[in-house]
Amino acid sequence: EVQLLESGGGLVQPGGSLRLSCAASGFTFNSYAMSWVRQAPGKGLEWVSTISDSGGSAYYADSVKGRFTFSRDNSKNTLYLQMNSLRAEDTAVYYCAKAERFAGYSFPGNWGQGTLVTVSS
Amino acid sequence: EIVMTQSPATLSVSPGERATLSCRASQSVSSNLAWYQQTPGQAPRLLIYGASTRATGLPARFSGSGSGTEFTLTISSLQSEDFAVYYCQQFNNWPWTFGQGTKVEIK
Repeated sequence: EVQLLESGGGLVQPGGSLRLSCAASGFTFNSYAMSWVRQAPGKGLEWVSTISDSGGSAYYADSVKGRFTFSRDNSKNTLYLQMNSLRAEDTAVYYCAKAERFAGYSFPGNWGQGTLVTVSS
Repeated sequence: EIVMTQSPATLSVSPGERATLSCRASQSVSSNLAWYQQTPGQAPRLLIYGASTRATGLPARFSGSGSGTEFTLTISSLQSEDFAVYYCQQFNNWPWTFGQGTKVEIK
C-alpha cells in the first residue's frame, strides 16, 4: 500500500524559511517522479513542484520559482521542500503526491494527508 | 498556462440521482485529464485519469468522458459518500492546472 507522510509544517513569519519532508513507502520510490500540490484555506488546488525520479530535474510554479527548492533522497525514500522568503500567500496545506504515468505523461495519483504551513506575524 | 473551468460551482442532487459535472480547458489537453474527489479535512482522491480510466477500486457508478477541451464526470446514482468537492486537472502541459472545483451537495 502506498503511504506518503508529510511533516515539517507550522507557523512561520513572513520572510522566514521552512523545510517540509515527505516519507514514502509501499512502492519503488526511485522509479517515480514526485510532486507537491498546495491548497490555501477554503480554496482550490495549486501545483507547486515536480521532481524527476532521479532528482536530476525539478519543475516549479512561477509563484514559488526562486524561493522553493524540491529535492529527494532516494536512499531514505524521502522528499524535501525547502521554502525560503515565505509570504502570507504561501499559507496552505501542502500535499506530496506520487506521479503516476499515462501515455508518456504524469499526473498526481496517490496523495499524502498534508501538512499545514501558516505564514503570519 | 491552461485555464480549467468547471461548472456548475455547486450542484444540488438527491441521493440516488445522477450527477453530471463539466470541465472545460482553455486549449486542447488531448485526453490528459484527471478527476479528483475531496471531502472535508481529507486529501484529494484520484477518481479518473486519461479522461475516462477509472482508478483502481473506483465504483462503476463513476465515469468520465471527453477529449480536447470538453470533459464530463458522471456519477450515475449518488451515494451518501459521494457528496464532496470534485476537481478536474490537466496534465498535458506544464504547469499542471486544476479547475476551481464543483461542490456536490445534498438536495
